[in-house]
Amino acid sequence: NAGVTQTPKFQVLKTGQSMTLQCAQDMNHEYMSWYRQDPGMGLRLIHYSVGAGITDQGEVPNGYNVSRSTTEDFPLRLLSAAPSQTSVYFCASSPGLAGEGRRDEQYFGPGTRLTVT
Amino acid sequence: AQKVTQAQTEISVVEKEDVTLDCVYETRDTTYYLFWYKQPPSGELVFLIRRNSFDEQNEISGRYSWNFQKSTSSFNFTITASQVVDSAVYFCALTPYSGAGSYQLTFGKGTKLSVIP
Repeated sequence: NAGVTQTPKFQVLKTGQSMTLQCAQDMNHEYMSWYRQDPGMGLRLIHYSVGAGITDQGEVPNGYNVSRSTTEDFPLRLLSAAPSQTSVYFCASSPGLAGEGRRDEQYFGPGTRLTVT
Repeated sequence: AQKVTQAQTEISVVEKEDVTLDCVYETRDTTYYLFWYKQPPSGELVFLIRRNSFDEQNEISGRYSWNFQKSTSSFNFTITASQVVDSAVYFCALTPYSGAGSYQLTFGKGTKLSVIP
Protein backbone atom coordinates (compact mmCIF):
# COMPACT_ATOMS: atom_id res chain seq x y z
CA ASN A 1 0.00 0.00 0.00
CA ALA A 2 1.19 3.52 -0.78
CA GLY A 3 -0.76 4.87 2.20
CA VAL A 4 -1.78 8.52 1.94
CA THR A 5 -0.18 10.39 -0.95
CA GLN A 6 -0.22 14.12 -1.60
CA THR A 7 0.79 16.10 -4.67
CA PRO A 8 2.52 18.40 -5.23
CA LYS A 9 5.10 18.53 -2.43
CA PHE A 10 5.82 22.20 -3.03
CA GLN A 11 3.87 24.92 -4.83
CA VAL A 12 4.23 28.66 -5.31
CA LEU A 13 1.17 30.63 -6.39
CA LYS A 14 0.49 34.25 -7.11
CA THR A 15 -2.38 35.98 -5.33
CA GLY A 16 -5.64 35.25 -7.11
CA GLN A 17 -4.52 32.07 -8.82
CA SER A 18 -6.41 28.84 -8.28
CA MET A 19 -5.11 25.34 -7.77
CA THR A 20 -6.01 21.93 -6.45
CA LEU A 21 -4.02 20.00 -3.87
CA GLN A 22 -4.38 16.30 -4.47
CA CYS A 23 -4.81 13.65 -1.80
CA ALA A 24 -5.29 9.94 -2.36
CA GLN A 25 -5.33 6.82 -0.19
CA ASP A 26 -5.39 3.17 -1.14
CA MET A 27 -6.50 1.71 2.19
CA ASN A 28 -10.27 1.90 1.61
CA HIS A 29 -10.57 4.45 4.40
CA GLU A 30 -13.97 5.99 5.00
CA TYR A 31 -12.80 9.15 6.59
CA MET A 32 -10.52 11.78 5.04
CA SER A 33 -9.59 15.26 6.15
CA TRP A 34 -7.45 18.27 5.37
CA TYR A 35 -5.42 20.22 7.94
CA ARG A 36 -3.24 23.27 7.62
CA GLN A 37 -0.18 23.88 9.76
CA ASP A 38 1.00 27.38 10.47
CA PRO A 39 3.99 28.34 12.66
CA GLY A 40 3.02 28.38 16.32
CA MET A 41 -0.56 27.29 15.55
CA GLY A 42 -0.44 23.53 15.45
CA LEU A 43 -2.67 21.84 12.88
CA ARG A 44 -6.17 23.08 12.22
CA LEU A 45 -8.93 21.20 10.44
CA ILE A 46 -10.11 22.72 7.14
CA HIS A 47 -12.62 20.21 5.74
CA TYR A 48 -13.42 16.58 6.26
CA SER A 49 -15.39 13.77 4.66
CA VAL A 50 -17.01 10.76 6.29
CA GLY A 51 -17.53 8.96 2.99
CA ALA A 52 -17.92 9.41 -0.75
CA GLY A 53 -20.33 12.23 -1.50
CA ILE A 54 -20.27 13.60 2.06
CA THR A 55 -18.15 16.56 3.14
CA ASP A 56 -18.31 19.10 5.93
CA GLN A 57 -16.46 22.12 7.24
CA GLY A 58 -13.85 22.10 9.93
CA GLU A 59 -12.41 24.92 11.97
CA VAL A 60 -10.95 27.05 9.14
CA PRO A 61 -12.89 26.34 5.90
CA ASN A 62 -12.99 29.81 4.32
CA GLY A 63 -11.25 30.03 0.95
CA TYR A 64 -11.24 26.27 0.37
CA ASN A 65 -13.55 23.84 -1.40
CA VAL A 66 -13.56 20.05 -1.30
CA SER A 67 -15.42 17.20 -2.93
CA ARG A 68 -15.35 13.44 -2.45
CA SER A 69 -16.51 11.67 -5.59
CA THR A 70 -14.60 8.46 -4.81
CA THR A 71 -13.46 6.74 -1.64
CA GLU A 72 -9.84 7.11 -2.66
CA ASP A 73 -9.55 10.81 -3.51
CA PHE A 74 -10.16 14.00 -1.56
CA PRO A 75 -8.87 17.08 -3.42
CA LEU A 76 -8.62 20.51 -1.80
CA ARG A 77 -9.32 23.49 -4.06
CA LEU A 78 -8.12 27.02 -3.57
CA LEU A 79 -10.34 29.17 -5.80
CA SER A 80 -8.46 32.46 -5.42
CA ALA A 81 -5.25 32.10 -3.45
CA ALA A 82 -4.36 34.67 -0.82
CA PRO A 83 -1.09 35.20 1.09
CA SER A 84 -2.92 34.10 4.26
CA GLN A 85 -3.17 30.63 2.73
CA THR A 86 0.59 30.21 2.79
CA SER A 87 0.93 27.11 4.90
CA VAL A 88 1.77 23.43 5.00
CA TYR A 89 -1.23 21.29 4.15
CA PHE A 90 -1.69 17.77 5.45
CA CYS A 91 -4.22 15.24 4.29
CA ALA A 92 -5.22 12.43 6.64
CA SER A 93 -7.39 9.35 6.45
CA SER A 94 -8.91 6.97 8.96
CA PRO A 95 -10.41 3.51 8.44
CA GLY A 96 -13.87 3.94 9.90
CA LEU A 97 -15.61 0.57 10.13
CA ALA A 98 -14.32 -1.17 7.01
CA GLY A 99 -10.93 0.13 6.00
CA GLU A 100 -7.45 -1.14 6.71
CA GLY A 101 -5.66 -0.28 9.90
CA ARG A 102 -6.76 0.78 13.35
CA ARG A 103 -10.18 2.37 13.34
CA ASP A 104 -9.19 5.18 15.64
CA GLU A 105 -5.87 6.10 14.07
CA GLN A 106 -5.33 8.90 11.58
CA TYR A 107 -2.85 8.26 8.79
CA PHE A 108 -1.18 11.43 7.56
CA GLY A 109 0.23 12.21 4.14
CA PRO A 110 3.68 13.82 3.75
CA GLY A 111 2.30 17.34 3.34
CA THR A 112 2.25 20.05 0.66
CA ARG A 113 4.13 23.28 1.29
CA LEU A 114 2.25 26.14 -0.36
CA THR A 115 3.51 29.70 -0.72
CA VAL A 116 1.26 32.45 -2.02
CA THR A 117 3.03 35.65 -3.07
CA ALA B 1 -15.63 22.89 22.30
CA GLN B 2 -12.36 21.09 22.71
CA LYS B 3 -9.01 22.61 23.50
CA VAL B 4 -5.49 21.29 23.89
CA THR B 5 -2.82 23.38 25.58
CA GLN B 6 0.88 22.73 25.31
CA ALA B 7 2.31 25.50 27.43
CA GLN B 8 5.95 24.74 26.61
CA THR B 9 6.72 26.32 23.26
CA GLU B 10 10.38 25.26 23.14
CA ILE B 11 12.54 23.08 25.35
CA SER B 12 16.29 22.44 25.14
CA VAL B 13 17.98 19.60 26.95
CA VAL B 14 21.43 18.07 26.88
CA GLU B 15 21.64 14.56 25.51
CA LYS B 16 20.87 11.84 28.04
CA GLU B 17 18.73 14.11 30.17
CA ASP B 18 15.10 13.19 30.81
CA VAL B 19 12.46 15.58 29.55
CA THR B 20 8.70 15.84 30.07
CA LEU B 21 6.36 17.49 27.61
CA ASP B 22 3.15 18.77 29.13
CA CYS B 23 -0.33 18.51 27.64
CA VAL B 24 -3.53 19.79 29.23
CA TYR B 25 -6.88 19.38 27.53
CA GLU B 26 -10.46 20.56 27.82
CA THR B 27 -13.49 18.67 26.56
CA ARG B 28 -17.15 18.23 27.42
CA ASP B 29 -17.15 14.68 26.14
CA THR B 30 -17.17 11.96 28.77
CA THR B 31 -15.17 9.63 26.54
CA TYR B 32 -12.42 10.68 24.20
CA TYR B 33 -9.07 9.79 22.71
CA LEU B 34 -5.74 11.51 23.32
CA PHE B 35 -2.80 11.31 20.96
CA TRP B 36 0.83 12.29 20.69
CA TYR B 37 2.47 12.91 17.32
CA LYS B 38 6.11 13.66 16.49
CA GLN B 39 7.11 15.94 13.64
CA PRO B 40 10.85 15.64 12.90
CA PRO B 41 12.67 18.29 10.86
CA SER B 42 11.78 16.38 7.68
CA GLY B 43 8.17 17.47 8.26
CA GLU B 44 6.11 14.29 8.32
CA LEU B 45 3.78 13.48 11.19
CA VAL B 46 4.63 10.33 13.10
CA PHE B 47 2.00 8.71 15.31
CA LEU B 48 3.36 7.88 18.78
CA ILE B 49 0.46 6.86 20.96
CA ARG B 50 -3.31 6.83 21.38
CA ARG B 51 -4.98 6.64 24.78
CA ASN B 52 -8.70 6.37 25.43
CA SER B 53 -10.21 8.19 28.36
CA PHE B 54 -11.43 5.14 30.23
CA ASP B 55 -7.97 3.60 30.40
CA GLU B 56 -5.87 5.55 32.87
CA GLN B 57 -2.98 3.13 32.95
CA ASN B 58 0.33 4.76 32.23
CA GLU B 59 2.20 3.38 29.25
CA ILE B 60 5.86 2.82 28.57
CA SER B 61 7.43 2.11 25.22
CA GLY B 62 11.19 1.95 25.33
CA ARG B 63 12.45 5.39 26.34
CA TYR B 64 8.99 6.91 25.99
CA SER B 65 6.35 6.98 28.70
CA TRP B 66 3.00 8.66 29.03
CA ASN B 67 1.21 9.78 32.20
CA PHE B 68 -2.55 10.20 31.79
CA GLN B 69 -4.35 11.86 34.71
CA LYS B 70 -8.04 12.39 34.10
CA SER B 71 -8.44 14.29 37.38
CA THR B 72 -6.15 17.06 36.14
CA SER B 73 -6.99 16.66 32.41
CA SER B 74 -3.38 16.05 31.58
CA PHE B 75 -1.56 13.64 29.27
CA ASN B 76 2.15 14.24 29.71
CA PHE B 77 4.91 12.64 27.69
CA THR B 78 8.34 11.80 29.09
CA ILE B 79 11.44 10.89 27.12
CA THR B 80 14.08 9.17 29.22
CA ALA B 81 17.77 9.51 28.33
CA SER B 82 17.07 11.83 25.43
CA GLN B 83 18.93 11.49 22.16
CA VAL B 84 19.65 13.91 19.33
CA VAL B 85 17.18 11.98 17.15
CA ASP B 86 14.42 13.00 19.56
CA SER B 87 14.76 16.60 18.36
CA ALA B 88 11.40 17.41 16.82
CA VAL B 89 8.12 19.20 17.36
CA TYR B 90 5.71 17.15 19.44
CA PHE B 91 1.96 17.58 19.22
CA CYS B 92 -0.71 16.48 21.64
CA ALA B 93 -4.20 15.99 20.16
CA LEU B 94 -7.74 15.08 21.20
CA THR B 95 -10.87 13.63 19.58
CA PRO B 96 -14.26 12.53 20.88
CA TYR B 97 -14.53 8.78 21.28
CA SER B 98 -17.42 8.22 18.88
CA GLY B 99 -19.46 9.85 16.14
CA ALA B 100 -18.25 11.87 13.17
CA GLY B 101 -16.28 14.08 15.54
CA SER B 102 -14.11 11.14 16.51
CA TYR B 103 -12.21 11.61 13.28
CA GLN B 104 -11.50 15.30 13.82
CA LEU B 105 -8.32 15.93 15.73
CA THR B 106 -7.93 19.04 17.85
CA PHE B 107 -4.21 19.73 18.13
CA GLY B 108 -2.16 21.67 20.61
CA LYS B 109 0.28 24.21 19.21
CA GLY B 110 3.21 21.90 19.70
CA THR B 111 6.41 21.83 21.73
CA LYS B 112 9.72 22.08 19.94
CA LEU B 113 12.30 19.86 21.60
CA SER B 114 15.98 20.38 20.90
CA VAL B 115 18.40 17.78 22.22
CA ILE B 116 21.93 19.14 22.32
CA PRO B 117 24.81 16.68 21.95
